[in-house]
Amino acid sequence: NAGVTQTPKFRVLKTGQSMTLLCAQDMNHEYMYWYRQDPGMGLRLIHYSVGEGTTAKGEVPDGYNVSRLKKQNFLLGLESAAPSQTSVYFCASSHSGRGNQPQHFGDGTRLSIL
Amino acid sequence: GENVEQHPSTLSVQEGDSAVIKCTYSDSASNYFPWYKQELGKGPQLIIDIRSNVGEKKDQRIAVTLNKTAKHFSLHITETQPEDSAVYFCAASKGSYIPTFGRGTSLIVHP
Repeated sequence: NAGVTQTPKFRVLKTGQSMTLLCAQDMNHEYMYWYRQDPGMGLRLIHYSVGEGTTAKGEVPDGYNVSRLKKQNFLLGLESAAPSQTSVYFCASSHSGRGNQPQHFGDGTRLSIL
Repeated sequence: GENVEQHPSTLSVQEGDSAVIKCTYSDSASNYFPWYKQELGKGPQLIIDIRSNVGEKKDQRIAVTLNKTAKHFSLHITETQPEDSAVYFCAASKGSYIPTFGRGTSLIVHP
């Protein structure tokens, strides 16, 4: 049972390049999330999904797009990378059971934009 | 929306001492309060959580207390060990799946 797996773990991009971050979970969770973590800023929600084929904006969605074509996968895209998007990106998932449920996080993707 | 304040941002203790991290929240309807531990190079991992119908919960050296009237909750770690060194995040949510996180506390336990 791998939990939440993020690929790649590290990436360096040039300004203007595009890329896709992949998140996969094997816990059959309905909800999935993308966060970015910057020093002193905690975890900020970029986009989230409550089920296959559905996505919604979080706190800091500008410059990012997402897709959830399969329940187990949640993709985060940067169409034209900017230095301000240098960050550590975390994917998380959670069950939709009765009441609030804890989130399960991957180990992050460290992204540098030059 | 919900606002979660977490203090202190950095906490330095000697091994064996206790550590306390405090969070306040703004929305009285919040009813679920998890705590996450993030080790260097890893993602946050749930260590303990509490729901609004409970005032205190313990798990070995870790405990969480909740004061709904004052809208604050705290993480207590007793007999700290070097492996407790990490960043700790509190969060609050209210019947939805979108938690609001505090900005984190860096706990340093000196041997």
